[in-house]
Amino acid sequence: DAGVTQSPTHLIKTRGQQVTLRCSPKSGHDTVSWYQQALGQGPQFIFQYYEEEERQRGNFPDRFSGHQFPNYSSELNVNALLLGDSALYLCASSLWDRGNEKLFFGSGTQLSVL
Amino acid sequence: AQKVTQAQTEISVVEKEDVTLDCVYETRDTTYYLFWYKQPPSGELVFLIRRNSFDEQNEISGRYSWNFQKSTSSFNFTITASQVVDSAVYFCALRGRGGADGLTFGKGTHLIIQP
Repeated sequence: DAGVTQSPTHLIKTRGQQVTLRCSPKSGHDTVSWYQQALGQGPQFIFQYYEEEERQRGNFPDRFSGHQFPNYSSELNVNALLLGDSALYLCASSLWDRGNEKLFFGSGTQLSVL
Repeated sequence: AQKVTQAQTEISVVEKEDVTLDCVYETRDTTYYLFWYKQPPSGELVFLIRRNSFDEQNEISGRYSWNFQKSTSSFNFTITASQVVDSAVYFCALRGRGGADGLTFGKGTHLIIQP
């Protein structure tokens, strides 16, 4: 059973460009969340998708947007990249089962903005 | 607003020593969940434990143990007889609103176990 998979693993972009990151959740998981982890910091919640809709959003600008597909996979899009967007982007998938949540993270996409 | 504080930025101990990682949290929610994750150099966050706010029982899993004290808003993590493979960054996290919120993470504690 594959875990949470993210692609690409590394990415280099320049300021002003746009980027799309991809996430395939663990089998059977219907909820996907995205987190940004700057160097030396803890992950910060970007948003969560469930049933193809954004269910909750953290304190991130509209330049950050996402999508969830019918097979539960998800994309994170960032427009007009800034140097400060350089970070590890982590995807987490989860499933609530009889009151217990099973939450798993992928290995992330390392984004460098030059 | 929710907040998680891990005051220890880095801890270095010699193998076989016991080590405790501190975590203090703030939330106005009456129902919330606390987590500990391990992040090795590969970057993936590895789940260690999830505890809900109604369950103050301490838990032991092998060499790992957790002490949840609601009165002091703390959820500390102890590794007994540490091993080199325990070296990683450890994060404490909080999920509020009965589980509907995204996770709020602390800044992490870098644990170095020296042989």
